[in-house]
Amino acid sequence: GIQVEQSPPDLILQEGANSTLRCNFSDSVNNLQWFHQNPWGQLINLFYIPSGTKQNGRLSATTVATERYSLLYISSSQTTDSGVYFCAVGGFSGGYNKLIFGAGTRLAVHP
Amino acid sequence: EPEVTQTPSHQVTQMGQEVILRCVPISNHLYFYWYRQILGQKVEFLVSFYNNEISEKSEIFDDQFSVERPDGSNFTLKIRSTKLEDSAMYFCASSERVGGYTEAFFGQGTRLTVV
Repeated sequence: GIQVEQSPPDLILQEGANSTLRCNFSDSVNNLQWFHQNPWGQLINLFYIPSGTKQNGRLSATTVATERYSLLYISSSQTTDSGVYFCAVGGFSGGYNKLIFGAGTRLAVHP
Repeated sequence: EPEVTQTPSHQVTQMGQEVILRCVPISNHLYFYWYRQILGQKVEFLVSFYNNEISEKSEIFDDQFSVERPDGSNFTLKIRSTKLEDSAMYFCASSERVGGYTEAFFGQGTRLTVV
């Protein structure tokens, strides 16, 4: 089945620093979403980005579908950015109706 | 802003008991899903549901599990004869169209603890 790999697995930042999270996937997809899981366990939608670039405040994301990767950029990080960031893909051969999640990047932002 | 809502937020149950997790998807969405996340692990797909029937299910979704849309607003996951390893966060999600071609929105989750 499709493989979704996220890197780095863990990231520690000082407040104000910038970071780039990466998601690689092994098959062509029609859906790619980035989520932030907060300390209470909630999955917060960040981006729906099967291709192209989007920005929302300090966060932006780019997906290069032809090269099968996506990047999530966090600028001027804040302690509230801490949590786990998941990439999830869907719409691939044999799996139209589901999202497959990566293992996540655990981010800790220290003041 | 429309959102997916799940109840209860936490549930503790005795091993062997049946539990029903409830979800209210976004009102104009047609596709519904259940996912689970065992503590510290990745989120895993369980089942997708469309037009009152299961459209896809994972290997995890065996005879112990069932889903139902009992009325026009609720979507439920029933787990029969719960086991310790069923302890996890269960997420409901919905989308306007088939999951691979549109954004899925997730509820806040139900944390199930089997003791």
